[in-house]
Amino acid sequence: SQQGEEDPQALSIQEGENATMNCSYKTSINNLQWYRQNSGRGLVHLILIRSNEREKHSGRLRVTLDTSKKSSSLLITASRAADTASYFCASRNGSSNTGKLIFGQGTTLQVKP
Amino acid sequence: ETGVTQTPRHLVMGMTNKKSLKCEQHLGHNAMYWYKQSAKKPLELMFVYNFKEQTENNSVPSRFSPECPNSSHLFLHLHTLQPEDSALYLCASSQDLNGARDEKLFFGSGTQLSVL
Repeated sequence: SQQGEEDPQALSIQEGENATMNCSYKTSINNLQWYRQNSGRGLVHLILIRSNEREKHSGRLRVTLDTSKKSSSLLITASRAADTASYFCASRNGSSNTGKLIFGQGTTLQVKP
Repeated sequence: ETGVTQTPRHLVMGMTNKKSLKCEQHLGHNAMYWYKQSAKKPLELMFVYNFKEQTENNSVPSRFSPECPNSSHLFLHLHTLQPEDSALYLCASSQDLNGARDEKLFFGSGTQLSVL
């Protein structure tokens, strides 16, 4: 079974609006990561939040983590057409020192100019 | 660029062909991975190598055969594939496998494989 599940599966917004994507996971984690993928390309790491952190910022990105609910959210503020991509959360099983990174199914974001 | 290069970018092959996918990383990483990405499905981890040794085979059919001659190169040899094997095959690397640290993956651009 997959570790991370994103919600919604697809999101369409206008340029300038904020985009929020959610991720739920099942087991305890060491950290949770968000990746971005442009169509037909590889994934690019965006941001990592550790299990003892609740919020993290990087430019227009804001990530929150709620370990009690086993969930995380990625907020992209003031979206741009260039933010159009798929966004994936990924997490490692916290009970294993070599826990593999498990990806969710992703949220496809379309930002209309 | 991410420092991970995959070739070819696109590959079309028949079910009786033999082909190989190549991945090279210039990051000095010790761990390398093969992932399969099919439409509407999460990324599937196929193989993991650490210091050239295979540490994980995620129940992958034997028609996929990985090879890791050194920490910088990773191959995926393909033979007698099925149409359902058509997918984007992604290579990734990380400094090492220690999940307790903040290891992140660096991905190549992938090989889009079509099996006819």
